[in-house]
Amino acid sequence: EAGVAQSPRYKIIEKRQSVAFWCNPISGHATLYWYQQILGQGPKLLIQFQNNGVVDDSQLPKDRFSAERLKGVDSTLKIQPAKLEDSAVYLCASSLYGSYEQYFGPGTRLTVT
Amino acid sequence: AQSVTQLDSQVPVFEEAPVELRCNYSSSVSVYLFWYVQYPNQGLQLLLKYLSGSTLVKGINGFEAEFNKSQTSFHLRKPSVHISDTAEYFCAVSSPSDNLFFGTGTRLTVIP
Repeated sequence: EAGVAQSPRYKIIEKRQSVAFWCNPISGHATLYWYQQILGQGPKLLIQFQNNGVVDDSQLPKDRFSAERLKGVDSTLKIQPAKLEDSAVYLCASSLYGSYEQYFGPGTRLTVT
Repeated sequence: AQSVTQLDSQVPVFEEAPVELRCNYSSSVSVYLFWYVQYPNQGLQLLLKYLSGSTLVKGINGFEAEFNKSQTSFHLRKPSVHISDTAEYFCAVSSPSDNLFFGTGTRLTVIP
C-alpha cells in the first residue's frame, strides 16, 4: 500500500513570496490533515478535510494560508505572502473515515529567508 | 481543552539499556493516547495507541506503554534499546470531540 505522498520535500523562498505544497493521501482515506511543525515543537493542526469539505480550520492563519481539496483526493496548501516565522516542516496526514489512526507523509521543509 | 506534557526534551541512553519516555496529559473528557516516532527527515510513524481496554499497550519495535488514568500518564518503555531507536518521540492525545494534540517531543539518543 502506497503511503502519503508530499512534494516538494524542500523549498527555500524569500519573505513575501508565495509557495504551494501538494499532498496525495492514501487511497480510500476520506480524511486529510495539514500540520505545521516548527523546529523543536510538536506538529500543530492547520486544517482538516473530510472528503472535499473543511471540518476544522480554526488554527489556519487565513490572511496568508489557504488550502483546498478538490475532488476529495489530492490537496494543496498555499502560503501567500510568506513570513520568516512560516519556516517549518509542513506535514500531511490521512485517515479512514471515523478512524483515530493518522498516517503521515514525509513532510515539506520550508525555509523562508 | 487538552494538553500534553513530555517531561524530558532529551534522553540519552546506552545501547541495550532500558528506557522510559514520560508523557502526562490533561483532558476533561475520555481520551485516546498515541505515541509517534519521527526519524530524521521523515514523517511521523505510529508506534502504539490506546483507545480502550487493556491499559498496557504493545506497539511496534518492542515498545510498550501503560495508560494510568489516576496519574494521567502514558509513559513509553522499551526494555533494551538499539542504535536504530535514535529518533524523536511524540506523545499525542485526542478525544471523540477533539483532534490530535501533540507534545513537544523527546529526543532519544542511543549511545553505542
